Amino acid sequence: LAKTTQPISMDSYEGQEVNITCSHNNIATNDYITWYQQFPSQGPRFIIQGYKTKVTNEVASLFIPADRKSSTLSLPRVSLSDTAVYYCLVADTGFQKLVFGTGTRLLVSP
Amino acid sequence: DTAVSQTPKYLVTQMGNDKSIKCEQNLGHDTMYWYKQDSKKFLKIMFSYNNKELIINETVPNRFSPKSPDKAHLNLHINSLELGDSAVYFCASSASRDRAYNSPLHFGNGTRLTVT
Repeated sequence: LAKTTQPISMDSYEGQEVNITCSHNNIATNDYITWYQQFPSQGPRFIIQGYKTKVTNEVASLFIPADRKSSTLSLPRVSLSDTAVYYCLVADTGFQKLVFGTGTRLLVSP
Repeated sequence: DTAVSQTPKYLVTQMGNDKSIKCEQNLGHDTMYWYKQDSKKFLKIMFSYNNKELIINETVPNRFSPKSPDKAHLNLHINSLELGDSAVYFCASSASRDRAYNSPLHFGNGTRLTVT
């Protein structure tokens, strides 16, 4: 399993764009990059997934450079409700033995 | 409608007891999982079932026994509970076990187990 490294915590203010970068130097050819969000007392919730270049949905954007050794989750104009832990994972096309690290704790202040 | 539901939400018990956690998903998914989140917030897979068949069994004490009566249910039974079993246990499901892409995990809201 490819390991990921992300900042332990980040602070932001309402209305700002937040970019959380994840390093995955040992990503394999078949691995996809997936991001989850977890609120206190809830299970992780899928946000976005990609393989290369850029992916955008109604919640976030995911930027993946050509070498795929890192990825950046971009949250546009965050609000207080975006305060959560964000996990970056890589997974291949096999069994989903996902390992969630400590994630990045994002705190959005007024 | 709750997609993945677990019961109970909280479970407080004494060492040596046996307890069960139930999980049900109404998403029509084929694969279900049990994850454990420890005090340091690491979330690790314990078991996975695909259509009632055990496909992943990580290094978990055999005091933990999953049971899947049908593909919509995956229960976790724990015997002889120990202090170190205190954690939050999450049930999850996914549409497919064979590919990670377009088959994200859907998690329940967890069961906080406290062993005293």
